[in-house]
Amino acid sequence: GAGVSQSPSNKVTEKGKDVELRCDPISGHTALYWYRQRLGQGLEFLIYFQGNSAPDKSGLPSDRFSAERTGESVSTLTIQRTQQEDSAVYLCASRLGAEYQPQHFGDGTRLSIL
Amino acid sequence: DQQVKQNSPSLSVQEGRISILNCDYTNSMFDYFLWYKKYPAEGPTFLISISSIKDKNEDGRFTVFLNKSAKHLSLHIVPSQPGDSAVYFCAASARSNYQLIWGAGTKLIIKP
Repeated sequence: GAGVSQSPSNKVTEKGKDVELRCDPISGHTALYWYRQRLGQGLEFLIYFQGNSAPDKSGLPSDRFSAERTGESVSTLTIQRTQQEDSAVYLCASRLGAEYQPQHFGDGTRLSIL
Repeated sequence: DQQVKQNSPSLSVQEGRISILNCDYTNSMFDYFLWYKKYPAEGPTFLISISSIKDKNEDGRFTVFLNKSAKHLSLHIVPSQPGDSAVYFCAASARSNYQLIWGAGTKLIIKP
């Protein structure tokens, strides 16, 4: 399809393990965002990529979180040594690089830390 | 400090009537406003947006109104349909900043 694709859709893992989440943005979208949504809460910004510019990592909650993006394609969000408080839905969004363009979201990865 | 506020956690409306969802903001630098709809287990879906040069934008059953002096925007859905039952998020950004600032959401329930 033509939308933002995220995988896996669900991930259950043990505390202390590393996890990697993947996002395939809409083709041609130069901007890519990662968000976290904890149960009953709003969207929490994590990181932003725009083309080949340095990413804005200001929303990453700790150094256990990192993300990469190659050019204007796939992005991966990695959480090392997972903790129970990392349990959340992780959402990826992409948008065209021009001003006043909406972000378009994938369906997220539901991460559960046991 | 919440820069974007949706003060109603939930709203119940009869099918066929108008649904009005409200959003207030505090940052006068915001110049782009968006509404998203979210179903359970899905990502937010973009509905409609408005830039600060306008006070109204319409798309089918959805109309967004912007009152800059009051720092208030609203989403009107007419007529409301059962499929409109979802959580609605308001978001805002400033031209100089690529980040969207999100409200906490309003759960809309359309009663048959």
